[in-house]
This record gives sequence, C-alpha cells and structure tokens, in this order.
Amino acid sequence: QVQLVESGGGLVKPGGSLRLSCAASGFTFSDYYMSWIRQAPGKGLEWVSYISSSSSYTNYADSVKGRFTISRDNAKNSLYLQMNSLRAEDTAVYYCARAPPLTWYENDYWGQGTLVTVSS
Amino acid sequence: NFMLTQPHSVSESPGKTVTISCTRSSGSIASNYVQWYQQRPGSAPTTVIYEDNQRPSGVPDRFSGSIDSSSNSASLTISGLKTEDEADYYCQSYDSSNLVVFGGGTKLTVL
Repeated sequence: QVQLVESGGGLVKPGGSLRLSCAASGFTFSDYYMSWIRQAPGKGLEWVSYISSSSSYTNYADSVKGRFTISRDNAKNSLYLQMNSLRAEDTAVYYCARAPPLTWYENDYWGQGTLVTVSS
Repeated sequence: NFMLTQPHSVSESPGKTVTISCTRSSGSIASNYVQWYQQRPGSAPTTVIYEDNQRPSGVPDRFSGSIDSSSNSASLTISGLKTEDEADYYCQSYDSSNLVVFGGGTKLTVL
C-alpha cells in the first residue's frame, strides 16, 4: 500500500535552516509528481511546492519562493524540502503528498506530517 | 492569482443534506478542476471529490461535487449526514501559472 513518511521537523531559530524528508513506498515513486503542503497550527492548508517526476519542473508558492527548495531522489524513493531563512510564519505541520497519475494539480495520498516550529 | 472563499463553518443534523460552497474570486471556476479534501482532527487530509465531481473509490456516494458558472463557485454536497462526516473540508484548484490554491476551509458540525 502507498505510504509516505515525513521526517526532519523540529525546533529552529528564526533565520535558521531545516531539511525535511519524505520516504515513499508502495508505488513507483519515479512516475509521480510530488508536493509539500503545510498547515499552521489551527489554520488551513497552504500549498508550498511541487516537483515533476523527473525533477525537471518545480513550482513554489510566493510565500516561500527563494527560501525553500524542493528536490527528490528517485533512486532512494525520497522527496526533500530544504528550508532556509526560516520565519515564525513558517511554523506548521508539513505534509508530503502524491499526485495521481498524469496529474500534478491534486493529491491522492498524504503523509501524516512533520511539525516545524520556528521560534527563538 | 485568485482566492477560493469558503464559509467558515456550517452545521446540520444527522440524516440531513448540507452544501459547502467555494467561490473563486477571479477567472472562471470552470477553467480549472476543483478538488475537495476532508480532514478529521489530528489526521491528514483525504480526497472526497476530484476533478469537480469525481469520487475516489471508497468514498460514499453521499458525497457529490458540482460547478456553477453563474455564481463562479464549486459546491460539495453531503447527503444523509452522519456524525462521522464531522470534519474540516477544503476546496482546492490551480491557476494559469500552475500555482495551487486552497480555500480557507469549512468546519462541518453534525449535531
């Protein structure tokens, strides 16, 4: 069965960096677009970024553009999010999610999320 | 870019029907597919409707989606409400720059 397991969250000071990982299993990872979506405490969902199956195309929300970088390693069935210049408003649960075949604009499987807290 | 506006909360009794709206601020709602996600407390979201009106396998046919161009909005309708339907519901679409947009979410209370 499809499984997505995020890791790498934690407490970081403003201006700091963090790298999130998402380990995928149960499907041919290299065939699918993947996304990061976040949810601040008590707030709604906010799309962060997605990456094409071959890494040739990426897109970012304006709120993270220039600070966050999405990447993947298809040999390791893993998705990453490098987060730099972190701000208090980046505090959220970060979910990785898979897009259904031949799409990029929806998500059919989500991980359970990893919490990132940006605070001094 | 555009916004998707949802009511903050709705409530209805078990067995009844409820409709949650999702209004697009600019551009046609029919231009890009709309998805609906259900999120129960403490859990990750799951898809209840994709591509405007398609239901994933395993989602009961009590859930349906539609698009109304006259109001430029999408709707999620849940009939025969059950207490297990109590959750937050989010609509989601995308724009011409291929950026993904989520609505602010609607808290459904079944009382």
